[in-house]
Amino acid sequence: AQSVTQLGSHVSVSEGALVLLRCNYSSSVPPYLFWYVQYPNQGLQLLLKYTSAATLVKGINGFEAEFKKSETSFHLTKPSAHMSDAAEYFCAVSVSRGSTLGRLYFGRGTQLTVWP
Amino acid sequence: GAGVSQTPSNKVTEKGKYVELRCDPISGHTALYWYRQSLGQGPEFLIYFQGTGAADDSGLPNDRFFAVRPEGSVSTLKIQRTERGDSAVYLCASSLAPSVTDTQYFGPGTRLTVL
Repeated sequence: AQSVTQLGSHVSVSEGALVLLRCNYSSSVPPYLFWYVQYPNQGLQLLLKYTSAATLVKGINGFEAEFKKSETSFHLTKPSAHMSDAAEYFCAVSVSRGSTLGRLYFGRGTQLTVWP
Repeated sequence: GAGVSQTPSNKVTEKGKYVELRCDPISGHTALYWYRQSLGQGPEFLIYFQGTGAADDSGLPNDRFFAVRPEGSVSTLKIQRTERGDSAVYLCASSLAPSVTDTQYFGPGTRLTVL
């Protein structure tokens, strides 16, 4: 079975500070990992995804994440937070066999607040 | 181009009533997914369509929930005899093909409130 744990339901940072949102996964087969962002009253938008190529994945808006198999982690980072980054972030896992292709298993989300 | 759209954006109903939630996927996308997001939770899978057929409905919570996609495009999620516990945001997503690497594009959701 697949699952995702996001550590910290709320993260607050100052504008210009490092953003670090934590995600750990559990999967019995090689995982594919995703980060989605949800702005108020908008749909989920894909930030980046790991699909077994490079372990360091760069996404939109300056975000990146590193897949670490030994730690079963896929933490999301951004060197310098911007006010517009305030949103809810979801980590998700999918697998290529043993489950519906493309079915996403989401974490509970992390609300990011950016202080001026 | 147009993204995934969902109607209505908000639906308030009374316990025991029947509701239908509609999803218009991106044109040409063959895979369509429904998820449900309860307050404080991440989205949870409900059902997946490949074309017109429901290829996986294992996420539907019980037989009060049903979904169709008769022409392989628009999908309708139907909930009979609604209960207060059904209150949530219902999300629809589509992708070009059923693949772990194809991006799923999400609609803005329908917020269902059962009084």
